Formats: sequence, C-alpha cells, structure tokens
Amino acid sequence: SQQGEEDPQALSIQEGENATMNCSYKTSINNLQWYRQNSGRGLVHLILIRSNEREKHSGRLRVTLDTSKKSSSLLITASRAADTASYFCATNSGGYQKVTFGIGTKLQVIP
Amino acid sequence: NAGVTQTPKFQVLKTGQSMTLQCAQDMNHEYMSWYRQDPGMGLRLIHYSVGAGITDQGEVPNGYNVSRSTTEDFPLRLLSAAPSQTSVYFCASSYSQGSSGANVLTFGAGSRLTVL
Repeated sequence: SQQGEEDPQALSIQEGENATMNCSYKTSINNLQWYRQNSGRGLVHLILIRSNEREKHSGRLRVTLDTSKKSSSLLITASRAADTASYFCATNSGGYQKVTFGIGTKLQVIP
Repeated sequence: NAGVTQTPKFQVLKTGQSMTLQCAQDMNHEYMSWYRQDPGMGLRLIHYSVGAGITDQGEVPNGYNVSRSTTEDFPLRLLSAAPSQTSVYFCASSYSQGSSGANVLTFGAGSRLTVL
C-alpha cells in the first residue's frame, strides 16, 4: 500500500501563480523527499527534508514537514510553464533503502 | 556520466513469454531498485538490492525475479508475462547519505512494457 498520498491529484494554475501540493503519510519517517516527473520521463529528485526539520527552501521551492500531523507540503512560487509535471512525495521509514512513493499530483501551468 | 541506463525503452510481449529488463548504473551506488508505475497508483516497489549478491522483495514482487551479481547491473526478469504486468518500469540507484539514512534516488528513463 502507498505510504504517501498527495492532494490534490490534479492542479491547474496560471503562470506566475503559486502552486501548493500536500502529502500525507501513515507511519513514522526518517525523511521525506519530493520528486518531479515530466511526461514520459523518469523521476528527478527535487528536495529532501529530514524528520527533525520543519521547513526547507531550494530556489522557488519551499517544503514544510509536520511530523505530528504526518504531512508535508511543497510550494512552488512564481510558477512557469516548464513546471508542468507530476510531483511525488516519497518517504523512508525503517529500512532506509526502501523508498515509498505517493500517487502524485499532476500540475499544469498555463502560459 | 550516463547515470542509470534502462533497456529496452519499449517492449511488447505475448502472455507467457519471458524477458529481462536491463538496468545499469555507473555511479558506484550501493542501492538499486525496481518500481512499476501504473495510472492512478504512483510508483510501487518491486525488488531492491543493497549491494552485490543481496536482494529483497518490495511491495509487489510476485511474477518478477532479480539478481545482483555486480554493483553496476540489476536486471529484472519476467518469467511468464501476464497482462497485469503491462506497466512502465523504472530502475533507480542510490547511496545512503549520512546517519539519518537519507536515500536519494537517481532514476532511469523507464521501460514501457505491454503484455498482450
């Protein structure tokens, strides 16, 4: 079964707007990652946040983690058409070599 | 640096046929894994390996075999293909980052398999 569930499953915004995606997970984690997948391609790692961190930034990306609520959010600021992709959260728990993915959020940024 | 290379990119099989999806990485990563991606279900872990000679099952291992004789290669074998195995398959490699066990994956481009 999936460890993470993203919300919403699909999101359509205008270029320049901010996009927020949420991820909820079920069990305790060591860390949480976000990946991007462009259509027909493999996944690309975006950002990792450890369980003892609450917020992390990378360029236009901001990730928050609330371990008490077992949830994370990914914010993309000033979105661009090139941000159109599917975004997945992934978690490590217990055996760290097992990385479990959610079902993803499909983001469309309209020029 | 090629990263993770998967072959073939596309394959059509008939029910009952066998085949091997190849995966190779040139980053000297300890860990390798196979996922399948189906619409509405995200990525599900099939098998993974923590080093040469060591493999273990993931979430959906039935119908698949793996082996890891070298650090570089991690082939996925379908012994008797079934229509339920129609999917896009991704190989990934990684190494552990520090004591927290962070495991950042590098993915291949995927192999699209259709079983008729």
